[in-house]
Amino acid sequence: SQKIEQNSEALNIQEGKTATLTCNYTNYSPAYLQWYRQDPGRGPVFLLLIRENEKEKRKERLKVTFDTTLKQSLFHITASQPADSATYLCALDSGGSTLGRLYFGRGTQLTVWP
Amino acid sequence: DAGVIQSPRHEVTEMGQEVTLRCKPISGHNSLFWYRQTMMRGLELLIYFNNNVPIDDSGMPEDRFSAKMPNASFSTLKIQPSEPRDSAVYFCASRLAGRDNEQFFGPGTRLTVL
Repeated sequence: SQKIEQNSEALNIQEGKTATLTCNYTNYSPAYLQWYRQDPGRGPVFLLLIRENEKEKRKERLKVTFDTTLKQSLFHITASQPADSATYLCALDSGGSTLGRLYFGRGTQLTVWP
Repeated sequence: DAGVIQSPRHEVTEMGQEVTLRCKPISGHNSLFWYRQTMMRGLELLIYFNNNVPIDDSGMPEDRFSAKMPNASFSTLKIQPSEPRDSAVYFCASRLAGRDNEQFFGPGTRLTVL
């Protein structure tokens, strides 16, 4: 069966450190992988998209890598801040006829403490 | 743009009652998605539409759930009759189909069935 696993339900790090979140998948051939942020009581908000032929994508303090051989994406937040505390979701899009249909992981709750 | 609009934001009802959730997607977007989020199961896709046509409703739990999109600016998700296990947060999201674009989520409707 298809499965998306995010490394842990919760990750706690100190302010200023780099947070690294993992997304592993099985039985998918994603064309795109997306990362979303979700704050309590709100809907997910898009952060980054990476295509299957891209190894790395950056946006300000965020970096995403995509390894289709390992079937894994890593999401990094450098110089983390307490304001980065939220739940982060990875989502896969298989493309093709189902382009736009996302399969979401359960999310990792990140807490950045001062 | 006001973003994706959902109503009501909160709904408390008794088992057996009909519940209707409403969504207005972002103007110009031509794909619309209904999700359900619970602690146990995470974010699950219920159904999605392209150009007002249902494409995949395999996530709809059972016949008690139905969704419609009568025009490009409005969609409903109906549960009849509702059951306590339907209690969850229901999200609507929209995107511009045809590209590898992100989804834009509404604020969600928190449904409690007593």
